Amino acid sequence: QQQVRQSPQSLTVWEGETAILNCSYENSAFDYFPWYQQFPGEGPALLISILSVSDKKEDGRFTIFFNKREKKLSLHIADSQPGDSATYFCAANSGGSNAKLTFGKGTKLSVKS
Amino acid sequence: GGIITQTPKFLIGQEGQKLTLKCQQNFNHDTMYWYRQDSGKGLRLIYYSITENDLQKGDLSEGYDASREKKSSFSLTVTSAQKNEMAVFLCASSMAGQDTQYFGPGTRLLVL
Repeated sequence: QQQVRQSPQSLTVWEGETAILNCSYENSAFDYFPWYQQFPGEGPALLISILSVSDKKEDGRFTIFFNKREKKLSLHIADSQPGDSATYFCAANSGGSNAKLTFGKGTKLSVKS
Repeated sequence: GGIITQTPKFLIGQEGQKLTLKCQQNFNHDTMYWYRQDSGKGLRLIYYSITENDLQKGDLSEGYDASREKKSSFSLTVTSAQKNEMAVFLCASSMAGQDTQYFGPGTRLLVL
């Protein structure tokens, strides 16, 4: 049973376009949603995160939109740059003393110039 | 700032061999994790440790052992390597009560 789903599996956009990466989840107890960015040969690094009490979180060109009712969220990367080409993972946990993150399978983003 | 070091960077083993991967962190974090990353399958949790000498099974613990020797180090053992197995093993750490996990660069395993 996959608790965190991501789509699309891969995405190609042109430089300057907005890339939209989607994520959905099943567990209503999830309340913390980080997005990790991973470049080839490296470990994932935290990019941006949101708590379920918010419906939007911005950090520069990166924005998370969150819909608690539909259990969906999306990562928007505005003005995409070739350096944004990476794999992006959506993750979730239910906070508190639960230290475990559940990861999606990732979206591989390619930005063409 | 801090850093997570994983050794070795590449590991080639033989079928049936016991293989040990090591992880060190200097963040002074309480919690450490081992994940397995297969192409197209995301990250799956193998073991985690909330504090020194603690050990908790993840979703993929069968076929692995782990050891938290001290606060800064966490080892993972593949008890019997499977032929044609190829994966990246990622170590991570986090502060107690904090959700953000910091990852190492990974150990790439290939079993011949």
